Amino acid sequence: EAGVAQSPRYKIIEKRQSVAFWCNPISGHATLYWYQQILGQGPKLLIQFQNNGVVDDSQLPKDRFSAERLKGVDSTLKIQPAKLEDSAVYLCASSAPGTGGEKLFFGSGTQLSVL
Amino acid sequence: KQEVTQIPAALSVPEGENLVLNCSFTDSAIYNLQWFRQDPGKGLTSLLLIQSSQREQTSGRLNASLDKSSGRSTLYIAASQPGDSATYLCAVRVGYNQGGKLIFGQGTELSVKP
Repeated sequence: EAGVAQSPRYKIIEKRQSVAFWCNPISGHATLYWYQQILGQGPKLLIQFQNNGVVDDSQLPKDRFSAERLKGVDSTLKIQPAKLEDSAVYLCASSAPGTGGEKLFFGSGTQLSVL
Repeated sequence: KQEVTQIPAALSVPEGENLVLNCSFTDSAIYNLQWFRQDPGKGLTSLLLIQSSQREQTSGRLNASLDKSSGRSTLYIAASQPGDSATYLCAVRVGYNQGGKLIFGQGTELSVKP
């Protein structure tokens, strides 16, 4: 089975610029997650979707971050404008009932460097 | 507020040693606990998932235990190999199923020397 696909793998931008990340979850997975992982830390949940509805976005900095999941499949995460502290790896994950329900499958991530 | 801590932050061992990684959490009201492996530049791979009603799970050379009352979990790796070198993260799920979320520790970076 194909895994979670993310693009791009790497992105370098200057502060105040905009950037977008794309995620394609495993086929049939209803739940999609975006995590932010700063170097040396564990991943932090930014937003969780169930189909195309938001379940949890309590830790998403909504003044600069936005995310959408159209048609309950692919998702994009946008940062506008970026700050230096946004430098991190952005991980997308998906899960579905029947895989233990709670078992998450992660993509390889997008490494963002803000200069 | 649930906090997850992993000790040590880094560990270096010679090949063949048995080792234990530790994870502690502050709130025992968890749904389950997972151990993940992360290789450099890669995403996370789920290794073991322990439901809150379980005490341990085993997969090959890996054994994970869970003591909810004391807020602790350990990951035991038997006969370590250089290929085990990676960062190991534990995460607790708070809340139920799709409405819950994972809270991660900061990870233990393991290096197994040939």
